[in-house]
Amino acid sequence: DQQVKQNSPSLSVQEGRISILNCDYTNSMFDYFLWYKKYPAEGPTFLISISSIKDKNEDGRFTVFLNKSAKHLSLHIVPSQPGDSAVYFCAASNRSNFGNEKLTFGTGTRLTIIP
Amino acid sequence: KAGVTQTPRYLIKTRGQQVTLSCSPISGHRSVSWYQQTPGQGLQFLFEYFSETQRNKGNFPGRFSGRQFSNSRSEMNVSTLELGDSALYLCASSPGDRGSGYTFGSGTRLTVV
Repeated sequence: DQQVKQNSPSLSVQEGRISILNCDYTNSMFDYFLWYKKYPAEGPTFLISISSIKDKNEDGRFTVFLNKSAKHLSLHIVPSQPGDSAVYFCAASNRSNFGNEKLTFGTGTRLTIIP
Repeated sequence: KAGVTQTPRYLIKTRGQQVTLSCSPISGHRSVSWYQQTPGQGLQFLFEYFSETQRNKGNFPGRFSGRQFSNSRSEMNVSTLELGDSALYLCASSPGDRGSGYTFGSGTRLTVV
């Protein structure tokens, strides 16, 4: 049962344009959402997060939008740069039975920025 | 501040053998999680350790096990290796604050032949 879904395995965007990566979830208990970026042969790097009590969080070129009623979040990158080419993972967090954080990841979207 | 260190970076094993992977978390982080990454499957959660206790476990067979030491370093063991175990194994550490995310190591690329 895939609780966090990224339905687009890949996305190509022209340099300078907006990149929009999407993510859907099914578990209403998730209360934090995060985006990670991963280059080949490296571990994922934390990008940005959003609490379920908010609908938008912005950090420089990166903005995450959360639509709780639709159980959908998206990551916007503006403007897109060649260095943004990577695999992006959406992750959702809930508190485990032991009170600590448990992350569930999506399958990732490979973003390619075309110069 | 040192990051998460995983050793070895690459490993080739024969089917049926066992393997042990090591992870040193960021100093002060008490939570260590392990993930398996394979193409098309994303990051699959294996287990999480917190203060030497396994707190959460994913849906992997009993051949996959782990432990955490008093200095928070963690090891993951896979016994009776199968070809399908070939993957990138990632370790992540966290201070436990909500929304702060995990810090990942570079991973161990395991190839089973």
